[in-house]
Amino acid sequence: QKEVEQNSGPLSVPEGAIASLNCTYSDRGSQSFFWYRQYSGKSPELIMFIYSNGDKEDGRFTAQLNKASQYVSLLIRDSQPSDSATYLCAVPTGGGNKLTFGTGTQLKVEL
Amino acid sequence: SQTIHQWPATLVQPVGSPLSLECTVEGTSNPNLYWYRQAAGRGLQLLFYSVGIGQISSEVPQNLSASRPQDRQFILSSKKLLLSDSGFYLCAWSLTTGELFFGEGSRLTVL
Repeated sequence: QKEVEQNSGPLSVPEGAIASLNCTYSDRGSQSFFWYRQYSGKSPELIMFIYSNGDKEDGRFTAQLNKASQYVSLLIRDSQPSDSATYLCAVPTGGGNKLTFGTGTQLKVEL
Repeated sequence: SQTIHQWPATLVQPVGSPLSLECTVEGTSNPNLYWYRQAAGRGLQLLFYSVGIGQISSEVPQNLSASRPQDRQFILSSKKLLLSDSGFYLCAWSLTTGELFFGEGSRLTVL
């Protein structure tokens, strides 16, 4: 079982809709979770992280964590074409010195 | 503010040729440093990470090597490139678990 799993997509949503991106992880001991955004041909950038069960909101982004289900998600409200990118979920491993990434979900926001 | 520089941005190399990619970080001290590779259409694969000068951890057996000759310098090398070494190489730094800051990346094509 992979440490971090994501649906590769593409996930297509109309402009203004809510995009929901999902990630599951295998290590029940994981304490923190990170979402990165990667535009085509560019390097990833951190957009959110979450440590506690429940929701964390930052502008149009909401991260949701359910440790019992080993599930973390990212919601993007009022999706814009500029949100079209690949979203990578990541979990610290190896004692916290390493960050293991999922393969990413490609999001397409259509006009 | 902290910045990370990675070069060269693009290179095309023949099979069997050597490789050297360099990364430097400015504006911080004793960062954790990482080399990731992203093959076309695939996720980020951690190649090496370093928590200090001369301390290198290798994640994947391969014909690549890494060195950290100075606190804020990280070098990825190969003596003989393989076709399978083609990809997008990303250097990153962090001070806090999970919060990685990536360089612009080096796109390597091995012919």
